[in-house]
Amino acid sequence: AQSVTQPDIHITVSEGASLELRCNYSYGATPYLFWYVQSPGQGLQLLLKYFSGDTLVQGIKGFEAEFKRSQSSFNLRKPSVHWSDAAEYFCAVVNPYSSASKIIFGSGTRLSIRP
Amino acid sequence: GAGVSQSPSNKVTEKGKDVELRCDPISGHTALYWYRQSLGQGLEFLIYFQGNSAPDKSGLPSDRFSAERTGGSVSTLTIQRTQQEDSAVYLCASSLYSTGYVNEQFFGPGTRLTVL
Repeated sequence: AQSVTQPDIHITVSEGASLELRCNYSYGATPYLFWYVQSPGQGLQLLLKYFSGDTLVQGIKGFEAEFKRSQSSFNLRKPSVHWSDAAEYFCAVVNPYSSASKIIFGSGTRLSIRP
Repeated sequence: GAGVSQSPSNKVTEKGKDVELRCDPISGHTALYWYRQSLGQGLEFLIYFQGNSAPDKSGLPSDRFSAERTGGSVSTLTIQRTQQEDSAVYLCASSLYSTGYVNEQFFGPGTRLTVL
């Protein structure tokens, strides 16, 4: 069965510092990979996605993620965080062979920003 | 344009009561999903509708949970005889549908259900 692991429950970084959120997946083949952000009181918003091709993908709000097949990882990065980036971040996968496209989410990483 | 809307935004109910949660997808989106976000279980898939096809109910946690989608648009998630463990945020998402391609799912703001 597919699964997604986000090993960090909570991370605090200083404003302006770089950020990396970890994500590992377990799946027989390469799934479709996503990062979502959920700000307080807001719905989930898609930051970026990887289907195939270039393993470094760019997303909205200055985020990027790198797919590493050998490590089954899809870590999210941002070179300089802003206070508005404080939110919950979810890594997610979709089975590319399923017609349902249901999303399997990781448990989330809560990001706090230190002024 | 309007996004996915859900109502009510908050629902408090007593254990044993039935509740109905509503989702209005983005116009033109034929795929509709329900997810549940709870402290103990994280975000989990509940049910999926696509057009007139039979829904994928594989994520429903018990037979107290059911959902329908009328006219291929609005969906209602019903929880019968609610239990305290049903307390969670229920999220709805919709997307375009095309065979062999995964389209972005757009999420609503959710309904926070509290069972006392």
